[in-house]
Amino acid sequence: SQQGEEDPQALSIQEGENATMNCSYKTSINNLQWYRQNSGRGLVHLILIRSNEREKHSGRLRVTLDTSKKSSSLLITASRAADTASYFCATDTREGSNYKLTFGKGTLLTVNP
Amino acid sequence: DAGVIQSPRHEVTEMGQEVTLRCKPISGHDYLFWYRQTMMRGLELLIYFNNNVPIDDSGMPEDRFSAKMPNASFSTLKIQPSEPRDSAVYFCASRNRLKNTEAFFGQGTRLTVV
Repeated sequence: SQQGEEDPQALSIQEGENATMNCSYKTSINNLQWYRQNSGRGLVHLILIRSNEREKHSGRLRVTLDTSKKSSSLLITASRAADTASYFCATDTREGSNYKLTFGKGTLLTVNP
Repeated sequence: DAGVIQSPRHEVTEMGQEVTLRCKPISGHDYLFWYRQTMMRGLELLIYFNNNVPIDDSGMPEDRFSAKMPNASFSTLKIQPSEPRDSAVYFCASRNRLKNTEAFFGQGTRLTVV
């Protein structure tokens, strides 16, 4: 089953522009994470935001979380061609005493030089 | 640490054959996840383990799929018999939830069933 849904499915921008990707989810979460996947590779963790946080920054990344709307956004500022990749949100949710990590379908970001 | 190691990287097999995918998680990690990635369905969680115990296998497509984790350093995902619709990239990921909750992914196994 999938918890998160990213929007848009694909995004194409010019180098230097900002890229915003959104994620909506369905159930209560402990935290929400964003990952990046280069073509043909495994996913790599970018940033994590806890359910009691509203905004977090890491370098050119800015993540927001609105638990009342069950949504999150990832902003990449001053994009570079090397940012071209697929971006996924993942929700960490509790199942009894265990914690499940489920992903959305991802947003394919293309940054044109 | 070498990270999460999956083998083989590529597998081509004929319909009806048994396929076994392997995963070595990062030492000290207590959670292990198996995911399947396709264009149509995205990244689906198949099953996950906590301390070698299967917790939730509701994502396993059907009885043809099975997963085991005999010890903390090894897990397998088996498909028997395989079908063309099983063609996908299968990822294994592990994490130490108390330490850092983020998951570390292997490079994946690209399975093609012809």
